[in-house]
Amino acid sequence: EVQLLESGGGLVQPGGSLRLSCAASGFTFSSYGMSWVRQAPGKGLEWVSAFSDSGSSTYYADSVKGRFTISRDNSKNTLYLQMNSLRAEDTAVYYCAKRYCTGGDCSFFDYWGQGTQVTVSS
Amino acid sequence: DIQMTQSPSTLSASVGDRVTITCRASQSISSWLAWYQQKPGKAPKFLIYKASSLESGVPSRFSGSGSGTEFTLTISSLQPDDFATYYCQQYRSYPLSFGGGTKVEIK
Repeated sequence: EVQLLESGGGLVQPGGSLRLSCAASGFTFSSYGMSWVRQAPGKGLEWVSAFSDSGSSTYYADSVKGRFTISRDNSKNTLYLQMNSLRAEDTAVYYCAKRYCTGGDCSFFDYWGQGTQVTVSS
Repeated sequence: DIQMTQSPSTLSASVGDRVTITCRASQSISSWLAWYQQKPGKAPKFLIYKASSLESGVPSRFSGSGSGTEFTLTISSLQPDDFATYYCQQYRSYPLSFGGGTKVEIK
C-alpha cells in the first residue's frame, strides 16, 4: 500500500525557514517523480515544486522560485522541501504527491499525503 | 504559463441530478488533463487522466471529455458521496496548474 507521510510544518515568523519532509513507502520511490502542492486556507490547490523521475530536473512555481528548494534522498525514501524567506502568503497545507507513472506524459498524481500545516505569522 | 479556469465555482444539485463541470485552458493542452475530488479536511482523490480515462476503482457515473482548451467532468447521477470540490489540472507543461475548483453542494 502506497503511503506518503508529511512532517515538519509549524508556525514560523515572516522571513523564517522550515524544512518539510515526506516519507514514502509501498512503491519504488527512486523511480517516481514527486511534487509538492499547497492549499491556502479556504482556497484551491496550487502546485509548488516537482522532482523528475530521473532526479535530474527540478521545477518550481514562480511564486516560490528562489526561496524554496526541493530535494530527495532515495536511500531514505524521503522527499524534502526547504522553504526560506517565508511570507504570510505561504501559509497553507502542504501536500506531497506521487507522479502517476515513470516517464511519459503523466505529471498528475495518484497518491497524496495527508498534508502538513505551515503558518507564517508574527 | 498555462492558466486553468473552472466554471461554475459553486453548483447546487440534488441526489440523482446530472452534473457537468467545465474546465478551460488558456492554450491547447491536447488531452493532458486530470480531475480530482476533494472533501473538507482531506487530500485530493484522483479521478480521471488524459481527459477521459477513468482511474481504476472510480465509479462509472464519473466521466470526462474534451481536448484542446475545453474540457468537462460529468457525474451522470449525483450520489450523496459526490458532494465535494472538484479540480482540474493540466500536465501539458511545467509549471503544472490547477483550476480554481468547483464546489458541488446540496440543493
